[in-house]
Amino acid sequence: NAGVTQTPKFQVLKTGQSMTLQCAQDMNHEYMSWYRQDPGMGLRLIHYSVGAGITDQGEVPNGYNVSRSTTEDFPLRLLSAAPSQTSVYFCASSYPGDTQYFGPGTRLTVL
Amino acid sequence: GENVEQHPSTLSVQEGDSAVIKCTYSDSASNYFPWYKQELGKGPQLIIDIRSNVGEKKDQRIAVTLNKTAKHFSLHITETQPEDSAVYFCAAPQAGTALIFGKGTTLSVSS
Repeated sequence: NAGVTQTPKFQVLKTGQSMTLQCAQDMNHEYMSWYRQDPGMGLRLIHYSVGAGITDQGEVPNGYNVSRSTTEDFPLRLLSAAPSQTSVYFCASSYPGDTQYFGPGTRLTVL
Repeated sequence: GENVEQHPSTLSVQEGDSAVIKCTYSDSASNYFPWYKQELGKGPQLIIDIRSNVGEKKDQRIAVTLNKTAKHFSLHITETQPEDSAVYFCAAPQAGTALIFGKGTTLSVSS
């Protein structure tokens, strides 16, 4: 099993550009989540999904969109990037109420 | 929603000493409390977790205690080693689904 994979590893955007951060898991997990990590702020929940076709907002959803068309994939879209979205983004997946597994992260810089 | 507070934010110990990190949570319905360790440049990894039907769980040098009445849980690391140096996060589930994390504790173990 590859576990949770994220692409790209690094990305630099200009303000106003759009992009999609990819996340995939091969463990048949129902739950998937996106977090951002900033210095001194810990991991903050952006959006999450409890199954294909179902998504919900977390602590800091503004500026981000998600969709879950398959069990395996949970992409995170930035429609118009802002410098405040400079961060490290982690995707995670789990079975309900079970251990959450994290991907290696995407380091995003918005200029 | 769930709110998780974690203390201290930094902790420095000598090799061989014990380290204790404490977290409080707000949602009395929460029933699963994991602890994650994050090394530099990597995603968080689960080190131990506890469910609400037990008060303590041990795994070699690591233990977690839970006080449901007071809504707090703690991570205990005994006989610390330099490789224990990392950032540690506690978490609790939001409405039984995605995890809400504390802001993290940077543990430094000096030899």
